[in-house]
Amino acid sequence: KAGVTQTPRYLIKTRGQQVTLSCSPISGHRSVSWYQQTPGQGLQFLFEYFSETQRNKGNFPGRFSGRQFSNSRSEMNVSTLELGDSALYLCASSFGRVGTGELFFGEGSRLTVL
Amino acid sequence: QKEVEQDPGPLSVPEGAIVSLNCTYSNSAFQYFMWYRQYSRKGPELLMYTYSSGNKEDGRFTAQVDKSSKYISLFIRDSQPSDSATYLCALPRAAGNKLTFGGGTRVLVKP
Repeated sequence: KAGVTQTPRYLIKTRGQQVTLSCSPISGHRSVSWYQQTPGQGLQFLFEYFSETQRNKGNFPGRFSGRQFSNSRSEMNVSTLELGDSALYLCASSFGRVGTGELFFGEGSRLTVL
Repeated sequence: QKEVEQDPGPLSVPEGAIVSLNCTYSNSAFQYFMWYRQYSRKGPELLMYTYSSGNKEDGRFTAQVDKSSKYISLFIRDSQPSDSATYLCALPRAAGNKLTFGGGTRVLVKP
């Protein structure tokens, strides 16, 4: 069974640009969550999508957005990039939204903003 | 103050030793308690989860929860070099998949 796939794995952008990250969840999983991981702040929740609808949102500015498609694949977008957006962006999937924390994470997309 | 506090380490132990990790949390609304393991350049993977106070054992791993003290622990017995990783406690909200993570403790098991 294939795991969570994230693309691209590494990318470098400059300030002011925008970036789109992609996530393919485990087959059959309908919930996709996104997390940002930095050395200073650790793992922080960005948002969660279930059945193409955003169900939960973390405390991030509006420059961070996402969407989910009918096949459960998800994308997140960061516009007007800032140096502080450099981080590992992790996608996690689960079958439902039971809140037990059983999430399956991808290997992440490492974004560097210069 | 963060909702979930975790000592960042690093924690260096010899092979075969018992590794003791812990987290404290401030919000009594948390009902489930998870431990994730993250190897370098990988995503976190779920190690154990528990719902109630008390101990839960899975092989060499034991998770312990004390809801009255808002304190959770993970013990690794007979530690191996392959246990070298960052261990993160994670507490989900009652609904949905929003996890609040501790900062993670880096563990190094030396052969």
